[in-house]
Amino acid sequence: EIVLTQSPATLSLSPGEGATLSCGASQSVNSGYLAWYQQKPGLAPRLLIYEASSRATGIPDRFSGSGSGTDFTLIISRLEPEDFAVYYCQQYGTSPRTFGQGTKVEIK
Amino acid sequence: QVQLVQSGAEVKKPGASVKVSCKASGYRFSGYYIDWVRQAPGQGLEWMGWIAPSSGGTNYAQSFQGRVTLTRDTSINIVYMELSRLRSDDTAVYYCARLAAGGPGDYWGQGTLVTVSS
Repeated sequence: EIVLTQSPATLSLSPGEGATLSCGASQSVNSGYLAWYQQKPGLAPRLLIYEASSRATGIPDRFSGSGSGTDFTLIISRLEPEDFAVYYCQQYGTSPRTFGQGTKVEIK
Repeated sequence: QVQLVQSGAEVKKPGASVKVSCKASGYRFSGYYIDWVRQAPGQGLEWMGWIAPSSGGTNYAQSFQGRVTLTRDTSINIVYMELSRLRSDDTAVYYCARLAAGGPGDYWGQGTLVTVSS
């Protein structure tokens, strides 16, 4: 199975700052089928990005995704108060579908 | 609007089974696969399997093979996840998610907490 490793585990930032989250895969992700989700406490995950760089419906353009092969990045250009949450990457190009362990973006 | 509404919290004893439902509305039920993902307390997301509502075809994660069964009732637009031989480490929130074309989960249920305790 494809193992996804996210870094850093925790990112401590202030509102208005930019955030760069990384997701590395143990083998190439088919067709760039890599998604990013945001999860807040007590809520279901919310799809942000699919196919590595396409924003899901209703997602603000301060969220952007990039990457291919084994290295992927989620960038939040200017953190808003509602962006402090846990972010997960997921590959869905190869079975079993797998998730990274998550990056927590917390208020500094 | 698209909605996935899951059944309520369950408390089960070790060795028992649990069946969680996920009722879909607001879209063509047969047109989208449904994924099941679980999250143990304070932990990350773990994929369990998917079902194709149109055919009933399934794909399960190896770690759940033989213990999980996904079924659907197309007459009432519901997908079921049954997990058997429950253990304490099956305590988790279980989510269903609609898979958009290509595969990411674009709509999610609210989650169902399953607690396994003697």
